[in-house]
Amino acid sequence: DQQVKQNSPSLSVQEGRISILNCDYTNSMFDYFLWYKKYPAEGPTFLISISSIKDKNEDGRFTVFLNKSAKHLSLHIVPSQPGDSAVYFCAATQGGSEKLVFGKGTKLTVNP
Amino acid sequence: DAGITQSPRHKVTETGTPVTLRCHQTENHRYMYWYRQDPGHGLRLIHYSYGVKDTDKGEVSDGYSVSRSKTEDFLLTLESATSSQTSVYFCAISPGQWLATPTAAFFGQGTRLTVV
Repeated sequence: DQQVKQNSPSLSVQEGRISILNCDYTNSMFDYFLWYKKYPAEGPTFLISISSIKDKNEDGRFTVFLNKSAKHLSLHIVPSQPGDSAVYFCAATQGGSEKLVFGKGTKLTVNP
Repeated sequence: DAGITQSPRHKVTETGTPVTLRCHQTENHRYMYWYRQDPGHGLRLIHYSYGVKDTDKGEVSDGYSVSRSKTEDFLLTLESATSSQTSVYFCAISPGQWLATPTAAFFGQGTRLTVV
């Protein structure tokens, strides 16, 4: 049973436009969420996170929104750049647990 | 960048042979993890360690064992490799300071293992 779902395997956007990557979760005990970016032949790198006590967290061009009632989070990238082209993984965990549960990932392609 | 080194980076092995992958960290982080990445499955936790000689299973632990005799090293062993264990394996570390805010795990470069 998949607890973290990224239902879009891929997304293509134009440079300069907004990229929106979505993630849904089923476990209501999750209270901390993270986004990772992965380039080919490299390990995932941490991008941004959000606690369940917040509904928004911003870091430069990256903003994560959390809708607890819908069990949904999204990552917004504005403006998108070709260097953002990568696979993005959503991950979640419960407070006190060090174990992350990952989604399957969404491949973002930003076209020049 | 977090100091994590995985070795080997690539390995081809035959079905039925034992294989050991090594993860070495220079950050003195308490927690270490082994994940595998497969198409259509994302990243799945195999085993993790919360201290020297302290390990626990993840969601896909069958066929794998781990050992951590020193803070800096976490070994993953495939006891008898099968073709279903062909995958990319990632080691990750985190300091484990979940007092106020959970900490992000930092990943190594990965080991591509092919079992033929």
